[in-house]
Amino acid sequence: AQSVTQLDSQVPVFEEAPVELRCNYSSSVSVYLFWYVQYPNQGLQLLLKYLSGSTLVKGINGFEAEFNKSQTSFHLRKPSVHISDTAEYFCAVRWSSGGSNYKLTFGKGTLLTVNP
Amino acid sequence: NAGVMQNPRHLVRRRGQEARLRCSPMKGHSHVYWYRQLPEEGLKFMVYLQKENIIDESGMPKERFSAEFPKEGPSILRIQQVVRGDSAAYFCASSPGTGGGMNTEAFFGQGTRLTVV
Repeated sequence: AQSVTQLDSQVPVFEEAPVELRCNYSSSVSVYLFWYVQYPNQGLQLLLKYLSGSTLVKGINGFEAEFNKSQTSFHLRKPSVHISDTAEYFCAVRWSSGGSNYKLTFGKGTLLTVNP
Repeated sequence: NAGVMQNPRHLVRRRGQEARLRCSPMKGHSHVYWYRQLPEEGLKFMVYLQKENIIDESGMPKERFSAEFPKEGPSILRIQQVVRGDSAAYFCASSPGTGGGMNTEAFFGQGTRLTVV
């Protein structure tokens, strides 16, 4: 079965430090890739997405991610985090081949905690 | 353009009662998806509906759960005879279409947090 792995369940960092949240997925066939952020007791907000084209994707709030097909990874990065970035981050994959190309498969999430 | 609207935001039910969760998709979106988020888990796909049709319910538990998306009105996720294990956040998403390109993005609602006591 296709799966998405977020290697770190929790990532604590200090304010203004860089951060990388890791995401790997199980298959290298055609994929669409997403990162969502969830603030406490809120819904999911799309940070960025990769559909095609440039492998470096820029999103909102200064986040970016790089699609690496050979390593089946889509790691999320930010060069300098703020307290307000404290939230849960979910990586999601949609496999574009096969009959279920509408279905998002999510990782378990990474809780980013930014400390002063 | 209002986003995906879910209500109620919070729902408390006693064991054995029924829970009804509502989702109004974004304007112009005819595809609705329901996902469930159990504590400390990612979201898991439950069901995909288009107007008056269930397209894929492979993620729905076999018993007690049902979903509909009528011609008029919101999509409804219905859980009969709730048990404590049904306690979770239920998210609805909508999209204008499926497949690749600009139709790929699904927009999520704020979720309904169901607590079964």
